[in-house]
Amino acid sequence: QKEVEQDPGPLSVPEGAIVSLNCTYSNSAFQYFMWYRQYSRKGPELLMYTYSSGNKEDGRFTAQVDKSSKYISLFIRDSQPSDSATYLCAMRGGNQFYFGTGTSLTVIP
Amino acid sequence: ETGVTQSPTHLIKTRGQQVTLRCSSQSGHNTVSWYQQALGQGPQFIFQYYREEENGRGNFPPRFSGLQFPNYSSELNVNALELDDSALYLCASSLNTANTGELFFGEGSRLTVL
Repeated sequence: QKEVEQDPGPLSVPEGAIVSLNCTYSNSAFQYFMWYRQYSRKGPELLMYTYSSGNKEDGRFTAQVDKSSKYISLFIRDSQPSDSATYLCAMRGGNQFYFGTGTSLTVIP
Repeated sequence: ETGVTQSPTHLIKTRGQQVTLRCSSQSGHNTVSWYQQALGQGPQFIFQYYREEENGRGNFPPRFSGLQFPNYSSELNVNALELDDSALYLCASSLNTANTGELFFGEGSRLTVL
C-alpha cells in the first residue's frame, strides 16, 4: 500500500465550477499536510499548508484535513482556466515529504 | 528574496555516464532536499541535507549521492546512469524547524538517459 493515494484524474470542469480534490493516507504519524500546484514542465508551487484537522481557507481555496479518516481535500471555488494544472497533495513524516501522484485538472472556459 | 534555482534545466546522458545537478536554496533556508519525479508521478524523496550533513534518505541506491556547501547550495550526483533515471529532478529548500512543513521547489532539471 502506498503511503499516499490520490486519484490521477484527469478532471475536466467548466469555468466557475467547484472542484474537489482528495487524498487518503495510511500513516497516522503524518502531521503536516500540503497542497501543491504544478504547471506543465515547472516545479511544484505551494498552495496550502495545514497542521491539524479542520478547515483552512485562502481566497478561492479551502483545505480540509480529517485525521480520524486519514483523508484530506482541497476545494477550489469559482474555478478559472488559470487553475488548469496538476494538483499534488503532500504530507510530512519526519524529514521526508510524501507526495500523491497528482490530479490533472482542466478548467474549460 | 531569491527563490530556489537549479541548473542545468535540461540535459541528455547515455547509460553508464555520471551526472551532477546543482541547486541554490532560497535565501535564509538551511535545508535542501532532492526529489525525483518520473513522468505522470508525484515527486519521490531522494535525500535531505541540513548544515552540510545528510539527515534523511529515501529508497534510492548509493549511486545517488549529494553534497551541501557552507552557503547551503547543494549538488545531486548520480553515477552509472540507467534508463529509469530519466526524470525531472527537483530541489527544494526549507527552514528545518519543528514549526513549519513548507517546501519551496525550484523549476527542476530534466534528465534524459538514452
